[in-house]
Amino acid sequence: DAEITQSPRHKITETGRQVTLACHQTWNHNNMFWYRQDLGHGLRLIHYSYGVQDTNKGEVSDGYSVSRSNTEDLPLTLESAASSQTSVYFCASSEGPNQPQHFGDGTRLSIL
Amino acid sequence: EDKVVQSPLSLVVHEGDTVTLNCSYEVTNFRSLLWYKQEKKAPTFLFMLTSSGIEKKSGRLSSILDKKELFSILNITATQTGDSAIYLCAVENSGYALNFGKGTSLLVTP
Repeated sequence: DAEITQSPRHKITETGRQVTLACHQTWNHNNMFWYRQDLGHGLRLIHYSYGVQDTNKGEVSDGYSVSRSNTEDLPLTLESAASSQTSVYFCASSEGPNQPQHFGDGTRLSIL
Repeated sequence: EDKVVQSPLSLVVHEGDTVTLNCSYEVTNFRSLLWYKQEKKAPTFLFMLTSSGIEKKSGRLSSILDKKELFSILNITATQTGDSAIYLCAVENSGYALNFGKGTSLLVTP
């Protein structure tokens, strides 16, 4: 079955370090998205991509970057991790217009 | 600024009760409204609504959209303990990204 997988599931790191979270989908979807989920805020959009070599900033993009070198993967990089970036991160993908986004199981990131 | 507001924020009911969850929105370039259920991990898709007045139904769950009044409701009849979860409402704009509400936390007690 096609799916979307995130890795690692849990990560603890220190402030100032660079961190990369992986997202891989096997649906061959063009659209991919990264969200973070925090208590009191719900899910907020970080970055998204409509296809290879395309990336766009979302509502809370500061301190994050993404790159899209193939259809299957959209890694999320925290250039210099900050404690405010402690969160649960979800990756999602969709086929296109009027198609729902499907989510990975999330990465719980703690920055000490 | 786009806004999605869900109410109530939390709800406790007994098994067998019927619940109604609310979602109101203000979004430019509306494309669709989606409902998700989130238990311990990933939000799982329930419904996508694009047209007013057309009810979507899946088992004991149903949902409807009012594009004139800018809201949607999610109904769950004959609730079961397995319905306990956070229910998320999201609105999709023309850019395909989702703007989420903060969710309604539902607890169904035996």
